[in-house]
Amino acid sequence: KAGVTQTPRYLIKTRGQQVTLSCSPISGHRSVSWYQQTPGQGLQFLFEYFSETQRNKGNFPGRFSGRQFSNSRSEMNVSTLELGDSALYLCASSLEIAGGGEQYFGPGTRLTVT
Amino acid sequence: GNSVTQMEGPVTLSEEAFLTINCTYTATGYPSLFWYVQYPGEGLQLLLKATKADDKGSNKGFEATYRKETTSFHLEKGSVQVSDSAVYFCALSEWGAQKLVFGQGTRLTINP
Repeated sequence: KAGVTQTPRYLIKTRGQQVTLSCSPISGHRSVSWYQQTPGQGLQFLFEYFSETQRNKGNFPGRFSGRQFSNSRSEMNVSTLELGDSALYLCASSLEIAGGGEQYFGPGTRLTVT
Repeated sequence: GNSVTQMEGPVTLSEEAFLTINCTYTATGYPSLFWYVQYPGEGLQLLLKATKADDKGSNKGFEATYRKETTSFHLEKGSVQVSDSAVYFCALSEWGAQKLVFGQGTRLTINP
């Protein structure tokens, strides 16, 4: 069974631009979560989607948004990029288990904002 | 809110040494607890998990026991190898939510 895939793996953008990152979950997984990883703030939860609906959202500004498609693939978008948005963005998928099942992570997209 | 605190790193050990990485948590309800490992340039891999008090998770020689009375989930391994060098994250999953709260991570380096 293929793991979680994320595209692109690396991205360089300029301040003020916008960016879209893509995530394909493990087959059969309907929950997709996004995390931001930075040296200063560590791993922080962005949002989680299940059956095309956002169920949970972390404490990030409205410039960060996402969506999920009917095949469970997910995208996240960051508009009006700032230097502080430079980070590794990780996508994770999981089966729906009450109480929280384990999440399986992709390799991440490394975003650099200049 | 819920939080996870890990011991400060980095940690450097010699091969075959005993490893302990401390992890404590604050949570309402009954969280599940996890240890994830991140190798250089890669995403996170699940190392082990425990879903209720007194459960012991184990994998690849690593172990951790869910201690509700001390709100802890310390990671241990009896004899580390150079290949165990990585960053280790303790995390909890809030009840009813597919959301992980992570500790700050502990960088482990094993010297031959």
